[in-house]
Amino acid sequence: NAGVTQTPKFQVLKTGQSMTLQCAQDMNHNSMYWYRQDPGMGLRLIYYSASEGTTDKGEVPNGYNVSRLNKREFSLRLESAAPSQTSVYFCASSEAWHRVIHQPQHFGDGTRLSIL
Amino acid sequence: KQEVTQIPAALSVPEGENLVLNCSFTDSAIYNLQWFRQDPGKGLTSLLLIQSSQREQTSGRLNASLDKSSGRSTLYIAASQPGDSATYLCAVRPGETSGSRLTFGEGTQLTVNP
Repeated sequence: NAGVTQTPKFQVLKTGQSMTLQCAQDMNHNSMYWYRQDPGMGLRLIYYSASEGTTDKGEVPNGYNVSRLNKREFSLRLESAAPSQTSVYFCASSEAWHRVIHQPQHFGDGTRLSIL
Repeated sequence: KQEVTQIPAALSVPEGENLVLNCSFTDSAIYNLQWFRQDPGKGLTSLLLIQSSQREQTSGRLNASLDKSSGRSTLYIAASQPGDSATYLCAVRPGETSGSRLTFGEGTQLTVNP
């Protein structure tokens, strides 16, 4: 039972390069989320997808785009990476939208991204 | 804007001790509060979720309490073990009818020494 799977686990980019972080869940969850975790800042929500076909901005969306490819997959794209985007990125998922307030979120193991 | 604070930032205890981790939040209008565990290099694992109408939740040696009016939650760990060493985070879901924005504290790094 894989849960939430993120790829890659580590990545180093140069400023201005682009890349896509992949996330897939096998729990048939409707809602998916992208967070970044930084020292002294805690976890902050970048984007979320309440259900397949919808996406919404979170607390820190600037510099990112997302795609909810299907119910299982939710990708995060950095179009032009900046050093300020050096962080650990976590994907999470949770149960059906109308019940989401009662359900815990399940997290992947994270992608450690360094922008030089 | 909701702010979540966890005290202490780090805690080191000998094996077998009972301990309490604290979480406070500025806006008492929340739907629920969740405690997570994060091991080094890993994601977050949900430990306990307390609905706003509840006062506490228990799972094994863990007990989480919630005092919504005062904006506080505690995580009590009984008979601590070295395997409990990890960072513990609390997160609150805001009092909104839509959206799913958890606001996280920065965590308490716990070390249990054998």
